[in-house]
Amino acid sequence: DAGITQSPRYKITETGRQVTLMCHQTWSHSYMFWYRQDLGHGLRLIYYSAAADITDKGEVPDGYVVSRSKTENFPLTLESATRSQTSVYFCASRVTGYEQYFGPGTRLTVT
Amino acid sequence: QQPVQSPQAVILREGEDAVINCSSSKALYSVHWYRQKHGEAPVFLMILLKGGEQKGHEKISASFNEKKQQSSLYLTASQLSYSGTYFCGTDPGRADSWGKLQFGAGTQVVVTP
Repeated sequence: DAGITQSPRYKITETGRQVTLMCHQTWSHSYMFWYRQDLGHGLRLIYYSAAADITDKGEVPDGYVVSRSKTENFPLTLESATRSQTSVYFCASRVTGYEQYFGPGTRLTVT
Repeated sequence: QQPVQSPQAVILREGEDAVINCSSSKALYSVHWYRQKHGEAPVFLMILLKGGEQKGHEKISASFNEKKQQSSLYLTASQLSYSGTYFCGTDPGRADSWGKLQFGAGTQVVVTP
């Protein structure tokens, strides 16, 4: 089906482990974004990408790494997970217009 | 800096009206409004551009005061389906911004029968 998907939807990991969250969109949107959502903070931008191989940091990039070798995929890696990275992670995409389409989210718990 | 939304929460009875405000300390090119229902992803409602018109979505409308860097979302004759958390996202429109949005902390709206 067309759209934007995220996997896994739920993840529990231990402190210090590396975790990769996947994001896939079928629209060939140029722009993609990763947000984290925590109570009281709304949505905070972690990283974004304007096209394949073009990425840049958002507001809260520390501890995260991204790559974008293909237009449709935008994985987010937590290099060494910490408890403060327990959150709900949303991926989003858009074309050169303005509406962002959000994926269903990944709920990550770091123990 | 994150835009400031007010109020943080509002409880309405069906049919009542409410206003949600979004203020930024920066000059803005556009303001975006999203609604998120519990356990779901945010969904786009509308965008207001600098110099643009007031927009509407069903009985939800919004305005944008460029001089004050403020936007307001109006929920008119609220319905149960309007319940959720509303977020404003602001875009300064700079060439290096790439259309990135800064989101407010959200306003929780509960509409009761």
